[in-house]
Amino acid sequence: DAGVTQSPTHLIKTRGQHVTLRCSPISGHKSVSWYQQVLGQGPQFIFQYYEKEERGRGNFPDRFSARQFPNYSSELNVNALLLGDSALYLCASSLVGGANTDTQYFGPGTRLTVL
Amino acid sequence: QKEVEQDPGPLSVPEGAIVSLNCTYSNSAFQYFMWYRQYSRKGPELLMYTYSSGNKEDGRFTAQVDKSSKYISLFIRDSQPSDSATYLCAMTLSSNTGKLIFGQGTTLQVKP
Repeated sequence: DAGVTQSPTHLIKTRGQHVTLRCSPISGHKSVSWYQQVLGQGPQFIFQYYEKEERGRGNFPDRFSARQFPNYSSELNVNALLLGDSALYLCASSLVGGANTDTQYFGPGTRLTVL
Repeated sequence: QKEVEQDPGPLSVPEGAIVSLNCTYSNSAFQYFMWYRQYSRKGPELLMYTYSSGNKEDGRFTAQVDKSSKYISLFIRDSQPSDSATYLCAMTLSSNTGKLIFGQGTTLQVKP
C-alpha cells in the first residue's frame, strides 16, 4: 500500500510569492493534518481536516490556508511568503483524526526555501 | 516556556548500549503520548504510542509515561547504528483532535 504522498519534494520561492503544497493520504484515511518543521525544531501543527471540514487550526497567520477535497487529498496554501516560512512542510493522515482511535502517519514532506 | 521540553543532544553512544530519551511537559491534560523517529530529510515515523501512565514494550523499544511527574521516556536496548536518527516525543490533549504537540527532538548517533 502506498503511504502518504506529498508534492512537490522541493520548492524554491521568493519573498511575496504564493505557494501550494499537495498531499494524498493513505487509502481509506479521511483526516489530513499539516505541520511546519523548521530546521532543528519539532513539527508545529498548522491545520487538521476531516471529511472536508476544518477540525483544528494552529497558531499561524491568515496567510496560511488549506482545504480538503472529496477524495480526501489536501492542499496547503501560503500567501505573501516570508523568509521565515522556509521549512519542511509535513502532511499526516489518519483514519478519523481522533487520538484514541488511530495514529497519524507522516509523509516525506515538502521542503520550501524562500529567498 | 514550551509545552514540551526535550534535550536536543546530540547524544552519542556505542553500538549495543542502552539509550534513554526523555521529555517533560507542563500541561497535565495531555493524555496520549507518542515517540516518532525521523531520519534526515524524511518524515517522522511512529515508533510507540501509549495512553496515560505506564509502560509499553515493543521489541527493543520501551516507552514509559509518568503523569504524576509529567515525564515520558523512551528506552532503546541493544542500540544499532541504524537507530541513528532524531527522536521526537509528541503528545495530545483529548480524543477528539489529532493536534500533536512535539518536543524539539533529540539527535542520536550510535557508533559501530
